[in-house]
Amino acid sequence: LAKTTQPISMDSYEGQEVNITCSHNNIATNDYITWYQQFPSQGPRFIIQGYKTKVTNEVASLFIPADRKSSTLSLPRVSLSDTAVYYCLVGGDNQGGKLIFGQGTELSVKP
Amino acid sequence: DSGVTQTPKHLITATGQRVTLRCSPRSGDLSVYWYQQSLDQGLQFLIQYYNGEERAKGNILERFSAQQFPDLHSELNLSSLELGDSALYFCASGGLGWSGNTIYFGEGSWLTVV
Repeated sequence: LAKTTQPISMDSYEGQEVNITCSHNNIATNDYITWYQQFPSQGPRFIIQGYKTKVTNEVASLFIPADRKSSTLSLPRVSLSDTAVYYCLVGGDNQGGKLIFGQGTELSVKP
Repeated sequence: DSGVTQTPKHLITATGQRVTLRCSPRSGDLSVYWYQQSLDQGLQFLIQYYNGEERAKGNILERFSAQQFPDLHSELNLSSLELGDSALYFCASGGLGWSGNTIYFGEGSWLTVV
């Protein structure tokens, strides 16, 4: 099982770009990398997923280097409502598996 | 709305009691996951079912058990409850042919043991 390591917390200001990096040194060949956002007392919500290179959607970008041992979630122009915990998740297969969330990164966006 | 339904939303019970939490996955999803999240703590993986069969197990206590029924809904049974079992319990589901870690969470069941 690929273990993930992220910074415990990050601070930012409104309007800034935030980059959160996740380390997953023992990622397997078939593993996808998925990022989730969690607000207090709510279930985590899917943000973005990638396998390699760069993926972009309407809320974020995900950068994955060629060796895939890390990934970076990029949130452009954050707002106060982006204050949340962000988790990267690696692993799983088409029947599920043991999906272990790490500690996550608590992002605090200040005015 | 993720499409995953959990009941009850809130539950208060006494130590030593037994409770059952229920989860209805998104339509078509075969996989159900259960997670526990205590106050200010991370998501602890408990157990996963795929199409009625237990597929993966985490640090689930022996006092806890789960099952997935033929209609794919799942129940998490918590017995001999202790104060430390107070937590938010999440169910998540995932579908066929997906990458394996795109799962959709319900709103959770708040359990308070007094």
